[in-house]
Amino acid sequence: EPEVTQTPSHQVTQMGQEVILRCVPISNHLYFYWYRQILGQKVEFLVSFYNNEISEKSEIFDDQFSVERPDGSNFTLKIRSTKLEDSAMYFCASSWDGRSGANVLTFGAGSRLTVL
Amino acid sequence: QKEVEQNSGPLSVPEGAIASLNCTYSDRVSQSFFWYRQYSGKSPELIMSIYSNGDKEDGRFTAQLNKASQYVSLLIRDSQPSDSATYLCAVKGRGNKLVFGAGTILRVKS
Repeated sequence: EPEVTQTPSHQVTQMGQEVILRCVPISNHLYFYWYRQILGQKVEFLVSFYNNEISEKSEIFDDQFSVERPDGSNFTLKIRSTKLEDSAMYFCASSWDGRSGANVLTFGAGSRLTVL
Repeated sequence: QKEVEQNSGPLSVPEGAIASLNCTYSDRVSQSFFWYRQYSGKSPELIMSIYSNGDKEDGRFTAQLNKASQYVSLLIRDSQPSDSATYLCAVKGRGNKLVFGAGTILRVKS
Protein backbone atom coordinates (compact mmCIF):
# COMPACT_ATOMS: atom_id res chain seq x y z
CA GLU A 1 0.00 0.00 0.00
CA PRO A 2 1.36 3.45 -0.89
CA GLU A 3 2.71 5.40 2.03
CA VAL A 4 4.05 8.80 2.99
CA THR A 5 7.69 8.61 4.05
CA GLN A 6 9.28 11.04 6.50
CA THR A 7 12.89 11.58 7.51
CA PRO A 8 14.43 11.85 10.01
CA SER A 9 12.31 9.94 12.50
CA HIS A 10 13.89 11.87 15.35
CA GLN A 11 16.06 14.99 15.36
CA VAL A 12 17.64 16.72 18.31
CA THR A 13 18.86 20.27 17.78
CA GLN A 14 20.05 23.26 19.71
CA MET A 15 17.86 26.32 20.05
CA GLY A 16 18.50 28.76 17.23
CA GLN A 17 19.61 26.12 14.74
CA GLU A 18 17.94 25.50 11.40
CA VAL A 19 16.10 22.24 10.85
CA ILE A 20 14.80 20.66 7.66
CA LEU A 21 12.25 17.88 7.84
CA ARG A 22 11.73 15.84 4.72
CA CYS A 23 8.74 14.03 3.31
CA VAL A 24 8.05 11.91 0.25
CA PRO A 25 4.29 12.07 -0.41
CA ILE A 26 2.35 9.37 -2.21
CA SER A 27 3.36 9.61 -5.85
CA ASN A 28 0.03 10.48 -7.50
CA HIS A 29 -1.11 12.85 -4.76
CA LEU A 30 -1.38 16.52 -5.54
CA TYR A 31 -1.91 18.16 -2.14
CA PHE A 32 0.66 18.16 0.63
CA TYR A 33 0.37 19.17 4.25
CA TRP A 34 2.38 19.64 7.40
CA TYR A 35 0.79 19.19 10.80
CA ARG A 36 2.39 19.21 14.21
CA GLN A 37 1.48 17.64 17.54
CA ILE A 38 3.04 18.89 20.74
CA LEU A 39 3.24 16.08 23.29
CA GLY A 40 -0.15 15.51 24.90
CA GLN A 41 -1.89 18.03 22.66
CA LYS A 42 -3.98 17.88 19.52
CA VAL A 43 -2.85 17.58 15.91
CA GLU A 44 -2.54 21.13 14.57
CA PHE A 45 -2.56 22.25 10.95
CA LEU A 46 0.48 24.18 9.78
CA VAL A 47 0.34 24.51 6.02
CA SER A 48 -1.04 23.04 2.81
CA PHE A 49 0.70 23.11 -0.55
CA TYR A 50 -0.62 22.65 -4.06
CA ASN A 51 0.75 23.35 -7.51
CA ASN A 52 4.07 24.52 -6.10
CA GLU A 53 2.65 27.13 -3.80
CA ILE A 54 1.16 27.47 -0.35
CA SER A 55 -2.62 27.19 -0.55
CA GLU A 56 -3.37 27.74 3.11
CA LYS A 57 -1.42 28.31 6.32
CA SER A 58 -2.23 28.67 9.99
CA GLU A 59 -1.21 31.34 12.47
CA ILE A 60 1.46 28.95 13.74
CA PHE A 61 3.18 29.01 10.34
CA ASP A 62 5.03 32.28 10.79
CA ASP A 63 8.14 33.63 9.08
CA GLN A 64 10.31 31.05 10.83
CA PHE A 65 8.70 28.31 8.75
CA SER A 66 8.93 27.60 5.07
CA VAL A 67 8.01 24.76 2.77
CA GLU A 68 9.44 23.68 -0.52
CA ARG A 69 9.04 21.01 -3.14
CA PRO A 70 12.60 20.97 -4.47
CA ASP A 71 12.03 18.16 -6.96
CA GLY A 72 9.26 15.87 -8.15
CA SER A 73 9.17 13.73 -5.04
CA ASN A 74 10.29 15.56 -1.89
CA PHE A 75 8.35 18.04 0.23
CA THR A 76 10.28 19.80 2.97
CA LEU A 77 9.53 21.86 6.05
CA LYS A 78 12.26 24.25 7.19
CA ILE A 79 12.37 25.91 10.57
CA ARG A 80 14.94 28.69 10.35
CA SER A 81 15.78 29.35 13.99
CA THR A 82 14.30 26.76 16.29
CA LYS A 83 12.76 27.63 19.64
CA LEU A 84 12.10 25.38 22.60
CA GLU A 85 8.38 25.51 21.83
CA ASP A 86 9.00 24.01 18.38
CA SER A 87 9.60 20.67 20.05
CA ALA A 88 6.86 18.43 18.70
CA MET A 89 6.03 15.59 16.35
CA TYR A 90 5.73 16.89 12.81
CA PHE A 91 3.49 14.94 10.46
CA CYS A 92 3.53 15.20 6.71
CA ALA A 93 0.36 14.21 4.88
CA SER A 94 -0.79 14.05 1.31
CA SER A 95 -4.07 13.71 -0.55
CA TRP A 96 -5.10 13.22 -4.13
CA ASP A 97 -7.78 15.88 -4.11
CA GLY A 98 -7.81 18.80 -1.71
CA ARG A 99 -10.79 20.56 -3.16
CA SER A 100 -13.57 18.03 -2.98
CA GLY A 101 -15.25 16.91 0.19
CA ALA A 102 -13.73 13.45 -0.14
CA ASN A 103 -10.31 14.76 0.85
CA VAL A 104 -8.72 11.78 2.54
CA LEU A 105 -5.35 12.59 4.05
CA THR A 106 -2.70 9.91 4.45
CA PHE A 107 -0.16 10.66 7.15
CA GLY A 108 3.49 9.77 7.40
CA ALA A 109 4.96 8.22 10.54
CA GLY A 110 6.17 11.61 11.75
CA SER A 111 9.44 13.32 12.63
CA ARG A 112 10.01 14.00 16.28
CA LEU A 113 11.86 17.27 16.81
CA THR A 114 13.49 17.96 20.16
CA VAL A 115 14.91 21.45 20.69
CA LEU A 116 17.35 21.82 23.59
CA GLN B 1 -15.57 28.17 20.76
CA LYS B 2 -13.39 25.26 19.72
CA GLU B 3 -13.85 24.20 16.11
CA VAL B 4 -13.99 20.47 16.88
CA GLU B 5 -14.78 19.23 20.35
CA GLN B 6 -14.40 15.79 21.85
CA ASN B 7 -14.48 14.45 25.38
CA SER B 8 -10.90 13.67 26.31
CA GLY B 9 -11.86 10.54 28.27
CA PRO B 10 -10.56 8.11 29.06
CA LEU B 11 -13.55 6.04 28.00
CA SER B 12 -13.23 2.59 29.50
CA VAL B 13 -15.25 -0.32 28.14
CA PRO B 14 -15.00 -4.07 28.72
CA GLU B 15 -13.88 -6.34 25.91
CA GLY B 16 -16.79 -7.21 23.64
CA ALA B 17 -18.82 -4.12 24.52
CA ILE B 18 -19.82 -1.22 22.26
CA ALA B 19 -17.69 1.91 22.54
CA SER B 20 -19.40 5.17 21.62
CA LEU B 21 -17.28 8.20 20.76
CA ASN B 22 -18.75 11.63 20.13
CA CYS B 23 -17.69 14.82 18.41
CA THR B 24 -19.28 18.21 17.77
CA TYR B 25 -18.13 20.86 15.34
CA SER B 26 -18.79 24.57 15.06
CA ASP B 27 -18.63 25.39 11.33
CA ARG B 28 -22.02 24.72 9.75
CA VAL B 29 -20.59 24.66 6.23
CA SER B 30 -18.40 21.63 7.00
CA GLN B 31 -19.13 18.81 4.58
CA SER B 32 -16.65 16.04 5.30
CA PHE B 33 -15.96 14.22 8.53
CA PHE B 34 -13.33 11.70 9.44
CA TRP B 35 -12.38 9.45 12.31
CA TYR B 36 -8.71 8.69 12.79
CA ARG B 37 -7.13 6.33 15.29
CA GLN B 38 -3.80 7.25 16.88
CA TYR B 39 -1.73 4.88 18.94
CA SER B 40 0.71 6.45 21.38
CA GLY B 41 3.73 7.85 19.54
CA LYS B 42 2.29 6.97 16.13
CA SER B 43 0.64 8.91 13.33
CA PRO B 44 -3.12 9.23 12.77
CA GLU B 45 -4.61 6.35 10.79
CA LEU B 46 -7.91 6.78 8.94
CA ILE B 47 -10.75 4.57 10.14
CA MET B 48 -13.87 6.07 8.60
CA SER B 49 -15.05 8.96 6.52
CA ILE B 50 -18.65 10.19 6.30
CA TYR B 51 -20.18 12.89 4.17
CA SER B 52 -23.98 12.44 4.36
CA ASN B 53 -26.42 12.46 7.23
CA GLY B 54 -27.12 9.04 8.66
CA ASP B 55 -25.04 5.98 9.38
CA LYS B 56 -22.11 4.44 7.56
CA GLU B 57 -20.90 1.00 8.53
CA ASP B 58 -17.54 -0.64 7.90
CA GLY B 59 -16.94 -3.89 9.72
CA ARG B 60 -17.11 -3.27 13.47
CA PHE B 61 -17.17 0.49 12.98
CA THR B 62 -20.21 2.69 12.39
CA ALA B 63 -19.97 6.44 11.85
CA GLN B 64 -23.05 8.59 12.40
CA LEU B 65 -23.54 12.13 11.16
CA ASN B 66 -26.19 14.68 12.05
CA LYS B 67 -25.45 17.97 10.31
CA ALA B 68 -28.44 19.77 11.84
CA SER B 69 -27.03 19.07 15.31
CA GLN B 70 -23.42 19.41 14.10
CA TYR B 71 -22.65 16.06 15.63
CA VAL B 72 -20.55 13.10 14.53
CA SER B 73 -20.13 9.84 16.36
CA LEU B 74 -18.23 6.59 16.03
CA LEU B 75 -19.46 3.28 17.36
CA ILE B 76 -17.08 0.38 17.79
CA ARG B 77 -18.83 -2.95 18.23
CA ASP B 78 -17.24 -5.97 19.91
CA SER B 79 -14.43 -3.80 21.27
CA GLN B 80 -11.03 -5.46 21.48
CA PRO B 81 -7.99 -4.55 23.61
CA SER B 82 -6.24 -3.67 20.34
CA ASP B 83 -8.82 -0.90 19.86
CA SER B 84 -7.29 0.92 22.84
CA ALA B 85 -6.01 4.17 21.35
CA THR B 86 -6.87 7.83 20.97
CA TYR B 87 -9.66 8.48 18.48
CA LEU B 88 -9.46 11.75 16.60
CA CYS B 89 -12.44 13.42 14.99
CA ALA B 90 -11.47 15.57 12.01
CA VAL B 91 -13.56 17.96 9.98
CA LYS B 92 -12.86 19.42 6.58
CA GLY B 93 -13.63 23.06 7.04
CA ARG B 94 -13.22 25.98 4.72
CA GLY B 95 -10.33 25.41 2.38
CA ASN B 96 -8.63 22.06 2.05
CA LYS B 97 -7.31 21.47 5.55
CA LEU B 98 -8.58 19.05 8.16
CA VAL B 99 -9.24 20.41 11.64
CA PHE B 100 -8.76 17.88 14.41
CA GLY B 101 -10.35 17.56 17.79
CA ALA B 102 -8.18 16.85 20.80
CA GLY B 103 -9.15 13.17 20.73
CA THR B 104 -10.84 10.71 23.04
CA ILE B 105 -8.74 8.08 24.79
CA LEU B 106 -10.39 4.66 24.60
CA ARG B 107 -9.36 1.84 26.90
CA VAL B 108 -10.74 -1.64 26.30
CA LYS B 109 -10.30 -3.87 29.31
CA SER B 110 -9.85 -7.61 28.82
